[in-house]
Amino acid sequence: EIVLTQSPGTLSLSPGERATLSCRASQSVSSSYLAWYQQKPGQAPRLLIYGASSRATGIPDRFSGSGSGTDFTLTISRLEPEDFAVYYCQQYGSSPRFGGGTKVEIK
Amino acid sequence: QITLKESGPTLVKPTQTLTLTCTFSGFSLSTSGVGVGWIRQPPGKALEWLALIYWDDDKRYSPSLKSRLTITKDTSKNQVVLTMTNMDPVDTATYYCARPLRRAFDIWGQGTMVTVSS
Repeated sequence: EIVLTQSPGTLSLSPGERATLSCRASQSVSSSYLAWYQQKPGQAPRLLIYGASSRATGIPDRFSGSGSGTDFTLTISRLEPEDFAVYYCQQYGSSPRFGGGTKVEIK
Repeated sequence: QITLKESGPTLVKPTQTLTLTCTFSGFSLSTSGVGVGWIRQPPGKALEWLALIYWDDDKRYSPSLKSRLTITKDTSKNQVVLTMTNMDPVDTATYYCARPLRRAFDIWGQGTMVTVSS
């Protein structure tokens, strides 16, 4: 069973700064099977990135995904006020699994 | 427009069986490639995938919960039902259903909070 470890647990940044979130898998994951979600308090998660690097419908281009094998990254190029939230990576194999999340908070 | 909505009890007692229904619109579970999944989230904690069912009745379960879960579909009603037996307070969570597309969950329901308490 693949385990996803996200780091850091919390990222304290200011609006306008760049955010780099990491997701590391315990074994190699096909890039086609790696997704990223954003979740705000009291809301359902929203799909941001699928296939490791493809933006979902309506997602701004300040969000980008990259990586392969066991190391994947979500980058937010310039943080907007609405981007402060919790972010999860997910692998969609035969047994889908989510990472523990990274909280991006206002510094 | 694709929507999903979860329904079920808000409170269950320990050892009872939980039955949740996901009612969806805008797509059909009789269409090749289509599926519906269940994910839960305990208060303040991370997301946990539970189960998936596909158009061809292929079913997948979380290995850690497989013995307690059953997922079924009613294509004519556009519904997917998840049952979880032997509920425990640690199963207190918001339960979501979601549609998988391109190996990710692209559309989610609003979630339903279930509390397990005597």
